[in-house]
Amino acid sequence: ETGVTQSPTHLIKTRGQQVTLRCSSQSGHNTVSWYQQALGQGPQFIFQYYREEENGRGNFPPRFSGLQFPNYSSELNVNALELDDSALYLCASSSQVSTDTQYFGPGTRLTVL
Amino acid sequence: EDQVTQSPEALRLQEGESSSLNCSYTVSGLRGLFWYRQDPGKGPEFLFTLYSAGEEKEKERLKATLTKKESFLHITAPKPEDSATYLCAVLYNFNKFYFGSGTKLNVKP
Repeated sequence: ETGVTQSPTHLIKTRGQQVTLRCSSQSGHNTVSWYQQALGQGPQFIFQYYREEENGRGNFPPRFSGLQFPNYSSELNVNALELDDSALYLCASSSQVSTDTQYFGPGTRLTVL
Repeated sequence: EDQVTQSPEALRLQEGESSSLNCSYTVSGLRGLFWYRQDPGKGPEFLFTLYSAGEEKEKERLKATLTKKESFLHITAPKPEDSATYLCAVLYNFNKFYFGSGTKLNVKP
């Protein structure tokens, strides 16, 4: 069984740029959630996708957007990057049978200069 | 307003010195409480899910318990490799997943 994978591992961008982060779900999982984790904090929920539709959103502005594809992989897009967007971005997937237990990928470390 | 509070923020133990981590929550409509372990720079690793008060789960040196207001993660005779940040999270209102800030555990040999 393949776990959750994310790419790239690290990324450096400048303020105002746009970024796309990618996630492949664990085999058999059709629900994907994205989180932002600042240094020393717990992950903060950005949004969740289920069957290619947004299925809930946290307190993040519209410049954070996402997509889920038919193979259940997902993208997180962030426009007009700000310095405070520097963080570890985590993707988590869960199965159709239970949307409860989420399994996390290794994360993408984004640095905005 | 914090909905999930973990304490202590940091904990130093000697190898073999048992202790407990606390996670208190104030959400309504709790669907589940989750414990994760996170090593520096890595994604959280799933440990336990608890669904109802009185439930207990065990795995090696770890045991998680749940009451109506809080959960405890008991660590028995910890080893240096147990050093990590332990996160708890609650699932409520169908699909809202809220994490605490974590307890950073350091086990010295």
